[in-house]
Amino acid sequence: GAGVSQSPSNKVTEKGKDVELRCDPISGHTALYWYRQSLGQGLEFLIYFQGNSAPDKSGLPSDRFSAERTGGSVSTLTIQRTQQEDSAVYLCASSRTLNRGKGSGYTFGSGTRLTVV
Amino acid sequence: GENVEQHPSTLSVQEGDSAVIKCTYSDSASNYFPWYKQELGKGPQLIIDIRSNVGEKKDQRIAVTLNKTAKHFSLHITETQPEDSAVYFCAASRGNFNKFYFGSGTKLNVKP
Repeated sequence: GAGVSQSPSNKVTEKGKDVELRCDPISGHTALYWYRQSLGQGLEFLIYFQGNSAPDKSGLPSDRFSAERTGGSVSTLTIQRTQQEDSAVYLCASSRTLNRGKGSGYTFGSGTRLTVV
Repeated sequence: GENVEQHPSTLSVQEGDSAVIKCTYSDSASNYFPWYKQELGKGPQLIIDIRSNVGEKKDQRIAVTLNKTAKHFSLHITETQPEDSAVYFCAASRGNFNKFYFGSGTKLNVKP
């Protein structure tokens, strides 16, 4: 597609429920990233996928968070047993390979605003 | 790991004036420094970036400077316009698809 697509754009869920957030990266982009942005805050790294390499999960805040990327394209971020502190905007980004193997700047989606009540 | 600090957190300027946002980083291996603009309700958008092999890059009213020795880089916006009002984030990475470390953001308000 023309840009990074995220769905849903807004999600309200009850505390304790599981949620799944979806990201469709730009076609051909080999790298995919998830970030979390709490209200008025900066961007917190969660997880990163690059091609067929093992994902970098070092930013996931707890074992309630997981993500997968199927077929090197679409990614799903899953939050189990949601807590109120999980409320935030979850941003997905993708990037491509430039010449000489250099990465480029990310292209972000518009995010999913998650509210846990 | 990398630590990126960004100042100021808020900046208010008169239309037509210049705005400068500064960032410092800690990891000397970082070699790619993008800047993002985030408007309300939208995802961050890349506006300019610089790699460690250059000291300055300019794109119309926007410029970025990098001082590798001091480990700091700055965003300069000249002739500011009300539509420049947004939150700006700096970031640093080791490039080649490494994760970005973001600053905490600067809310720029351009008063007409």
